[in-house]
Amino acid sequence: AQSVSQHNHHVILSEAASLELGCNYSYGGTVNLFWYVQYPGQHLQLLLKYFSGDPLVKGIKGFEAEFIKSKFSFNLRKPSVQWSDTAEYFCAVRGYGGATNKLIFGTGTLLAVQP
Amino acid sequence: NAGVMQNPRHLVRRRGQEARLRCSPMKGHSHVYWYRQLPEEGLKFMVYLQKENIIDESGMPKERFSAEFPKEGPSILRIQQVVRGDSAAYFCASSAGTGDRQPQHFGDGTRLSIL
Repeated sequence: AQSVSQHNHHVILSEAASLELGCNYSYGGTVNLFWYVQYPGQHLQLLLKYFSGDPLVKGIKGFEAEFIKSKFSFNLRKPSVQWSDTAEYFCAVRGYGGATNKLIFGTGTLLAVQP
Repeated sequence: NAGVMQNPRHLVRRRGQEARLRCSPMKGHSHVYWYRQLPEEGLKFMVYLQKENIIDESGMPKERFSAEFPKEGPSILRIQQVVRGDSAAYFCASSAGTGDRQPQHFGDGTRLSIL
């Protein structure tokens, strides 16, 4: 069965610190990978996605993620966080080619950036 | 606003009542997904629908829950005889198709509270 693990449940950083959020998935086939962000009181927004090609994916707001197939990982990174990055971050996987198109989410990482 | 529209944003029900949650997909989207987010957990897939068809309901509880996406009008998630454990945030997402490059766009969610 597909599953997604996010190792960090809560992360507290100071502004300008570097960020790396871990995401590992379990799936036997080809996958599409996503990171979504949920700002307080708002809906989930797509940060970035990986379908194929270059395993280093760049998204909005300076975020990037690297797909490492051998490690089943898709970690999210940002070189220098801002207070406005305070939010909850969700990693998600979708099985390639399946009829259902459903997303399997991790439990989320709550990031608090201190000014 | 051409995004995914969910209403109501907040819904309060007493145990035993019915809850109806509505979702209007983005313009041009004919695929709708419902997810549930329990406190301290990630989003869990419930059901995937296309117009007048349920494609995947593998995440739906066997009893009391139903979903529809009629030819005209919004998608409806219906919970009969609600219980305390139904308290959660329910998110709807939509996509233009099931292709690999068709990400899901999320609504603001309906926060359901059961008294």
